[in-house]
Amino acid sequence: GIQVEQSPPDLILQEGANSTLRCNFSDSVNNLQWFHQNPWGQLINLFYIPSGTKQNGRLSATTVATERYSLLYISSSQTTDSGVYFCAGKNTGTASKLTFGTGTRLQVTL
Amino acid sequence: NAGVTQTPKFQVLKTGQSMTLQCAQDMNHEYMSWYRQDPGMGLRLIHYSVGAGITDQGEVPNGYNVSRSTTEDFPLRLLSAAPSQTSVYFCASSRTYRGMNTEAFFGQGTRLTVV
Repeated sequence: GIQVEQSPPDLILQEGANSTLRCNFSDSVNNLQWFHQNPWGQLINLFYIPSGTKQNGRLSATTVATERYSLLYISSSQTTDSGVYFCAGKNTGTASKLTFGTGTRLQVTL
Repeated sequence: NAGVTQTPKFQVLKTGQSMTLQCAQDMNHEYMSWYRQDPGMGLRLIHYSVGAGITDQGEVPNGYNVSRSTTEDFPLRLLSAAPSQTSVYFCASSRTYRGMNTEAFFGQGTRLTVV
């Protein structure tokens, strides 16, 4: 299966700052998602983005499938953005396995 | 539209006990799967199902059984719980489009402690 690497592993921001989270894949993917795990443990779908760019409020994501990476941008961060951000991907060779990275732990302080 | 519903949310078991984690989805999704999440790690696939009557193993299947008698339900059974199965368990479902999975949706998780 594919390997998923996320960076940075930890990030501390002051409220209002911007950040970029990165996800690299060892092989091509045809299914890529970003999730936010909040402090209560819930996995919140942020983006389903196999390729291209999407935006949702202060968050946006870009996937460059040919170069096997995806970026998550958080602008004007708020304390409610704190938590762990996961990316997960599935390549063309496996029908059902969504492989997760180990996450980026984000803490937004006042 | 409830999405993916898991029960219970919390459970404490003694070593050797058995139990079933329930998962139900109301989106008519073909694919369902179970993951476990251990501290500091991402989610790892336990078992998955591509439709009613069809199941297969993921990367960490030992100690777990599944069945899929209906499209809606995908229970996970622990036959003889061990402390190594202490974890948070997530169920997920996704639609099939042209033979491939699309966006996955997750339940709220079950926090299991085996003592």
